[in-house]
Amino acid sequence: DAGVTQSPTHLIKTRGQQVTLRCSPKSGHDTVSWYQQALGQGPQFIFQYYEEEERQRGNFPDRFSGHQFPNYSSELNVNALLLGDSALYLCASSSDFGLTETQYFGPGTRLLVL
Amino acid sequence: DQQVKQNSPSLSVQEGRISILNCDYTNSMFDYFLWYKKYPAEGPTFLISISSIKDKNEDGRFTVFLNKSAKHLSLHIVPSQPGDSAVYFCAASETNAGKSTFGDGTTLTVKP
Repeated sequence: DAGVTQSPTHLIKTRGQQVTLRCSPKSGHDTVSWYQQALGQGPQFIFQYYEEEERQRGNFPDRFSGHQFPNYSSELNVNALLLGDSALYLCASSSDFGLTETQYFGPGTRLLVL
Repeated sequence: DQQVKQNSPSLSVQEGRISILNCDYTNSMFDYFLWYKKYPAEGPTFLISISSIKDKNEDGRFTVFLNKSAKHLSLHIVPSQPGDSAVYFCAASETNAGKSTFGDGTTLTVKP
């Protein structure tokens, strides 16, 4: 049973560029959440997708956008990159019908903005 | 305003002894709490959780205690093993809210 997968594992961009990160959820999961983890901090919630719609959003600017596909995989897009966007980006999947909020995380994509 | 706080950035214990990791929260709407473990180059892995209707949940060597009046939870690991060395994150959520709020983590080192 494949867990959550993310691509790429590492990425280097320059300020002002745009980036797309990809995530495939754990088998049987239909909900995908994205988190940003800066160095020395805990993951911060960016947004969550369910049934191809953004269902919840954290305190992130509109430069951060996403998409969910019919097969439940998801993309995170960040436009006009800033140095402060350098972080580990984590994707987590869960099953929407659960009453609990246990999420399964992928290994993350480490983004460096120069 | 950090709603979930782990005030100890690091903890070092001897193998075989008890490890106690602490977490405080401020949002009284949180009703579900989780602990995750994270190794370098990996994503967080779910460890144990507790609902606000309970004050204790146990799974093998891991026990989580919840004190709702103090808005405090703790993770006990007994006995600690070198393989437990990792960063431990406390997280809290409102049931069906769709997101978890994380603390900044505590790095546990278990010495042989």
